[in-house]
Amino acid sequence: GAGVSQSPSNKVTEKGKDVELRCDPISGHTALYWYRQSLGQGLEFLIYFQGNSAPDKSGLPSDRFSAERTGGSVSTLTIQRTQQEDSAVYLCASSLEDWRAETQYFGPGTRLLVL
Amino acid sequence: QKEVEQNSGPLSVPEGAIASLNCTYSDRGSQSFFWYRQYSGKSPELIMFIYSNGDKEDGRFTAQLNKASQYVSLLIRDSQPSDSATYLCAGGGGGSNYKLTFGKGTLLTVNP
Repeated sequence: GAGVSQSPSNKVTEKGKDVELRCDPISGHTALYWYRQSLGQGLEFLIYFQGNSAPDKSGLPSDRFSAERTGGSVSTLTIQRTQQEDSAVYLCASSLEDWRAETQYFGPGTRLLVL
Repeated sequence: QKEVEQNSGPLSVPEGAIASLNCTYSDRGSQSFFWYRQYSGKSPELIMFIYSNGDKEDGRFTAQLNKASQYVSLLIRDSQPSDSATYLCAGGGGGSNYKLTFGKGTLLTVNP
């Protein structure tokens, strides 16, 4: 079946602009995660959705970052007033909910460049 | 603060050798452990997961888990140049916590 999809694949924006990143999880996956990965760095957890609610927003770097999920499916990550330090690859992953922490499957990522 | 530690490498092995990748974790409540492979410029892809103490084998890959020592490893037998990538260790689970904590990854280079 179809994997996790993300759009756009690449985004170049000017400092101060807002951007929206989209994630389509695997059908039937109720858990959705957003991560950020800067060049040569590890995965930085941003936010986790269980259905439409976000029980863990602890990784959002600032109040310029927000995310929502509707219909238990698509999620959007919004970055307002982008800064150059926001440049990174934004990865989305989804999983079935399981008491053990089910396997997360990653999308291809959105490469964001803030000029 | 839950942490997963990995040697950043780079780990360099000759083709055909065994590559050994190691990981330690701080949260004793973690129940599930995952190894992901990430090629440069690509997203992570799952190689293996392990829940129980001991070894789990899948083809050329063997994952080992020792919960008493809070240690997870990945052995790659008959290493190939195509195995050259960054390997991410992740741990999580326990109760209703589905969040995984990732290590920073170990860069593996397999030399022909």
